[in-house]
Amino acid sequence: GENVEQHPSTLSVQEGDSAVIKCTYSDSASNYFPWYKQELGKRPQLIIDIRSNVGEKKDQRIAVTLNKTAKHFSLHITETQPEDSAVYFCAAYQAGTALIFGKGTTLSVSS
Amino acid sequence: EAGVTQSPTHLIKTRGQQATLRCSPISGHTSVYWYQQALGLGLQFLLWYDEGEERNRGNFPPRFSGRQFPNYSSELNVNALELEDSALYLCASSLYSYEQYFGPGTRLTVT
Repeated sequence: GENVEQHPSTLSVQEGDSAVIKCTYSDSASNYFPWYKQELGKRPQLIIDIRSNVGEKKDQRIAVTLNKTAKHFSLHITETQPEDSAVYFCAAYQAGTALIFGKGTTLSVSS
Repeated sequence: EAGVTQSPTHLIKTRGQQATLRCSPISGHTSVYWYQQALGLGLQFLLWYDEGEERNRGNFPPRFSGRQFPNYSSELNVNALELEDSALYLCASSLYSYEQYFGPGTRLTVT
């Protein structure tokens, strides 16, 4: 079955810096890759996603890139703000199954 | 548009008892997924229901079961509770199984 690995497990940056979180997946049949943000005590929220026919997608300060050949995808956050502090999860999905999540990255943005 | 709702918010049970957790999807969504979020283990897929049928299950024992009702709401039943079942149980709903939106979760504590 699918396996998703996520790095780093913790990431500390200064406000205004960029943050990058990387994930790799094992099953080439996976074709949808969402990213979720989970603040303490709250539900995971879908912040951006990408499908396998697209290499990059941007939404304001966040972007996701996908390299199908290498089976890895990354989340990029620019101009980080304290409110970006949260746990971020990547996931991989293929039709007929369910989201398989990485173990999460705790992002801390200090002002 | 109302989001995914779950009840109860918290549930305290003793070992060996049964727990029932409930989920109402976003209006119009036909798929419901259940995930377990245990401390340090990320989100792990439990069960997927679509159009009233169980479509897939994760690597959990048969004492984890559930069903989906004609109105697409769902319940998760956990029999013969064990201490390690203590976790946050999240449900998510989707329309075409790609974008999944999470509920606030039910915190299950087994003593």
